[in-house]
Amino acid sequence: GAVVSQHPSRVICKSGTSVKIECRSLDFQATTMFWYRQFPKQSLMLMATSNEGSKATYEQGVEKDKFLINHASLTLSTLTVTSAHPEDSSFYICSATPTLGYHEKLFFGSGTQLSVL
Amino acid sequence: AQKITQTQPGMFVQEKEAVTLDCTYDTSDQSYGLFWYKQPSSGEMIFLIYQGSYDEQNATEGRYSLNFQKARKSANLVISASQLGDSAMYFCAMREGRYNFNKFYFGSGTKLNVKP
Repeated sequence: GAVVSQHPSRVICKSGTSVKIECRSLDFQATTMFWYRQFPKQSLMLMATSNEGSKATYEQGVEKDKFLINHASLTLSTLTVTSAHPEDSSFYICSATPTLGYHEKLFFGSGTQLSVL
Repeated sequence: AQKITQTQPGMFVQEKEAVTLDCTYDTSDQSYGLFWYKQPSSGEMIFLIYQGSYDEQNATEGRYSLNFQKARKSANLVISASQLGDSAMYFCAMREGRYNFNKFYFGSGTKLNVKP
């Protein structure tokens, strides 16, 4: 089945530093990937839709300059949390569906737990 | 308005019994898909079952079945013969449209605890 790889799985950083999270589709091409944020015991909140070769589409209330998304190839999207602060600590998870063919479900990465000290 | 509503924050079920997790949805689209995902404590999202809006029969996948009532806009998940490993968060989700760029909307989730 389709696999989405997300790295790192866990990162701890100091306040003010930037953190990059990678999301790769390993065996399929994905022109669109999605980035979600999840607080403990809460649902997944869609942050942005990542589009290969073009700008990401951000959901209302999500800071574009804080959460930089780059979808440089058909198999890789990155989320960079810039100048991270403790309130950015959260579980971030990416997802994708194959571009070709019709696939119902969304394939998820394993998530990244970000802790900002 | 909420696209997906899950009204049960937590549920308990005895091992080997069946349990139903509720989900209602709101859309004006004719073409949409309904999904259930399981999220164990490790955080990964595990796909369980899918129901298309045009599917006339309820979807089934092993011990999972989806009770799809289109007129009521509900898509309840039924887990038969619960196992201890079923203890996890369960999310109902909907995609409006059928394309890879269509967004998924998630409900608030139900925490299922299976008791031995």
